Amino acid sequence: QVQLVESGGGVVQPGTSLRLSCAASGFSFTNYGMHWVRQAPGKGLEWVAVISNDGNRQNYIDSVKGRFTISRDVSNNILYLQMNSLRAEDSAIYYCAKDWHYMTDFDYWGQGTPVTVSS
Amino acid sequence: QSALTQPRSVSGSPGQSVIISCTGTSSDVGGYNYVSWYQHHPGRAPKLMIYNVNNRPSGVPDRFSGSKSGNTASLTISGLQTEDEADYYCCSHAGSFTLVFGGGTKLTVL
Repeated sequence: QVQLVESGGGVVQPGTSLRLSCAASGFSFTNYGMHWVRQAPGKGLEWVAVISNDGNRQNYIDSVKGRFTISRDVSNNILYLQMNSLRAEDSAIYYCAKDWHYMTDFDYWGQGTPVTVSS
Repeated sequence: QSALTQPRSVSGSPGQSVIISCTGTSSDVGGYNYVSWYQHHPGRAPKLMIYNVNNRPSGVPDRFSGSKSGNTASLTISGLQTEDEADYYCCSHAGSFTLVFGGGTKLTVL
């Protein structure tokens, strides 16, 4: 069965970096795009970034452009989110999610990894 | 990339029906038939309930249905059950390799 397991979250200071990982299994990783979605405390879900199935195309929400980088390791079926210059407003639970109908929906989600940016 | 507009909360009694609206613009909801809906119980992974406006994934009860008119999509839950109590989010394709969520709606089953 499909499994997505995030890791790498933690408590960091503003301005620092963190790399999140999402280990994927149970499906053909190279056939699907992958996303990161976050939920800040007391807030709703927010789409953050996407990477195409072949890794050649990425896109981000405006608030993280230039600071976050999404990538994928097809040899090990791992999705990454490199987060630099972190801000307090980046504090959230970060979910990885599998794309289903090409950039229109997510059929599987991980349990999430929490990120807290605080001095 | 403004969030889609959903009511903060809705409620209903067991057996009743509720409708959750999701309003966007012609650049997202109104421009594509790519609206999806997610059920989210706190502490758990979100679950896809509806895709492409009105399609149910395998295993989702037919009590859940979706529709769209213009820039507004709707999720209808009929025959409310206590386990339906959760947060519900709409999501739309917004062009240019982008997706946008609604602000979320808390469903209370009285």
